Amino acid sequence: GAVVSQHPSRVICKSGTSVKIECRSLDFQATTMFWYRQFPKQSLMLMATSNEGSKATYEQGVEKDKFLINHASLTLSTLTVTSAHPEDSSFYICSAETPRTGNTDTQYFGPGTRLTVL
Amino acid sequence: GENVEQHPSTLSVQEGDSAVIKCTYSDSASNYFPWYKQELGKGPQLIIDIRSNVGEKKDQRIAVTLNKTAKHFSLHITETQPEDSAVYFCAANILFGTGTRLTIIP
Repeated sequence: GAVVSQHPSRVICKSGTSVKIECRSLDFQATTMFWYRQFPKQSLMLMATSNEGSKATYEQGVEKDKFLINHASLTLSTLTVTSAHPEDSSFYICSAETPRTGNTDTQYFGPGTRLTVL
Repeated sequence: GENVEQHPSTLSVQEGDSAVIKCTYSDSASNYFPWYKQELGKGPQLIIDIRSNVGEKKDQRIAVTLNKTAKHFSLHITETQPEDSAVYFCAANILFGTGTRLTIIP
């Protein structure tokens, strides 16, 4: 199946700093990538939908100036958590959609990035 | 707003028995219903999916059924094994259910 990687897998940073998370589709081109956030023992919460070459679409309640998303190529999307605070500590997961026309495409998930803000 | 409900939230079954997880969705426009298995500290892995033009799909010990009229779909795992223990999420398109923690008792 399709492979999606995320880097880093784990990051600890100080409050006020910015952290960049990379999401790559390794063996396919993904026109659409998704970013999710997951709190312990909870479901995935969609943060934003990222389309290659255009601005990301953010879900209601997600601050676009705090969670900067860049989808510069068909295999790479990045999420930057700016001026991170302890409440931003979470498990961030990306997914990439396989190319297909018409119906919703299959998503493949990355392994996740655990962010801890001190 | 639209949502996906998933039941039960926790499920324990004896090894070798079957496990069933059910989901209902509210958006009638949903046309893609994947199931994911998530192990501790890892991202979700797609285990099976079904599209709205199909009522049932099976892959070895895993099967999914879809009732579009009632807007619910189910995951069935037969002959459960300890390695099936994980959290399972259903989704309707990109809207996720709340998850089911499945524990297989040896």
